[in-house]
Amino acid sequence: QKEVEQNSGPLSVPEGAIASLNCTYSDRGSQSFFWYRQYSGKSPELIMSIYSNGDKEDGRFTAQLNKASQYVSLLIRDSQPSDSATYLCALQPGGFKTIFGAGTRLFVKA
Amino acid sequence: EAQVTQNPRYLITVTGKKLTVTCSQNMNHEYMSWYRQDPGLGLRQIYYSMNVEVTDKGDVPEGYKVSRKEKRNFPLILESPSPNQTSLYFCASSLTSDRSYGYTFGSGTRLTVV
Repeated sequence: QKEVEQNSGPLSVPEGAIASLNCTYSDRGSQSFFWYRQYSGKSPELIMSIYSNGDKEDGRFTAQLNKASQYVSLLIRDSQPSDSATYLCALQPGGFKTIFGAGTRLFVKA
Repeated sequence: EAQVTQNPRYLITVTGKKLTVTCSQNMNHEYMSWYRQDPGLGLRQIYYSMNVEVTDKGDVPEGYKVSRKEKRNFPLILESPSPNQTSLYFCASSLTSDRSYGYTFGSGTRLTVV
């Protein structure tokens, strides 16, 4: 089992819909969780971080963390074509390393 | 402007010819790291540094060296590059290493080894 698993997609949603991106992880000791967005040919950029169980909202983005079930998700409300990108889930399983999932490609259709 | 600067952006080299990819950050970040990104495999950590003169291996360190003599710089050295090191490389930095605030990434270096 991979340490961080994401559905590679592509996930296709119509403009204005909610996009739901999911990530599961194997290390129960993981403390910090992150979502990054990466446009084609560009470097990843941090969208959100979450450390505690529950929801964390920032504008159109909501991160959800459930440590008991070992999953973290990202919801994008009112999806826009400009949200089309690859979304990377990342976490710190303890220590000083940060591990990334392979990413989910999102397409938002106008 | 707060940023992580990598050079070069593109590099084509031959097997066995030593090369260095530079990375510099202007945010006084303690933590710096190198990743490689390959299709289907995502970002894999090569080396990281918690502070000056403190470095450690990530998940794929073979064939790479790093040094952290100054806080702002964290170069990646390939002593004898091989074709399997053809990849997209990212340098990243974070404020601290004990509880990450998330990374700021450089623009990337696309390396081709022939």
